[in-house]
Amino acid sequence: EDKVVQSPLSLVVHEGDTVTLNCSYEVTNFRSLLWYKQEKKAPTFLFMLTSSGIEKKSGRLSSILDKKELFSILNITATQTGDSAVYLCAVLGTSYGKLTFGQGTILTVHP
Amino acid sequence: SAVISQKPSRDICQRGTSLTIQCQVDSQVTMMFWYRQQPGQSLTLIATANQGSEATYESGFVIDKFPISRPNLTFSTLTVSNMSPEDSSIYLCSAQINSDTQYFGPGTRLTVL
Repeated sequence: EDKVVQSPLSLVVHEGDTVTLNCSYEVTNFRSLLWYKQEKKAPTFLFMLTSSGIEKKSGRLSSILDKKELFSILNITATQTGDSAVYLCAVLGTSYGKLTFGQGTILTVHP
Repeated sequence: SAVISQKPSRDICQRGTSLTIQCQVDSQVTMMFWYRQQPGQSLTLIATANQGSEATYESGFVIDKFPISRPNLTFSTLTVSNMSPEDSSIYLCSAQINSDTQYFGPGTRLTVL
């Protein structure tokens, strides 16, 4: 059974801090790893990673995948209060689209 | 990306009743999915909504409890049948727009009394 583990489960920082969120996985027939940001109800797509060592960036957010170590990290630099959310990591391990999600990391950014 | 809408956005229902949740995508998509997020938990896939055929359910979910329709490539419904308080969750639909990327609807927050 596919498994995704995120750490830490929660994180409290102050504005301007840099944070690193971790995601490790065990999956059969890995296809891709996705990061989402969830505020209130709907997860918002951040990144999809399929190849090792290629960093994806969007503003202050970046992510990288290590397929050898079965690991991904999501970095957020110069955090802002608007970054407060649950960050979800999910892996796609089959051909039909089932995403297996981790427990999520609750990030709280204080002013 | 795509615009995905769901309705209702929230509902409070009585035990034993059923609720149908609608999901509409603003473009044709091959694959649509339904997820459940129980309080304090992460997302769990309920089923894949297949256009023109029966949905494919994940282990632990059955058609009698969660019947799904997919009449065309832009629309799907999920019914939560014979509800109990344990069904109180957020229900989310998603659509696979390109390659492996899935985008989610805004979710339906269901409370069963």
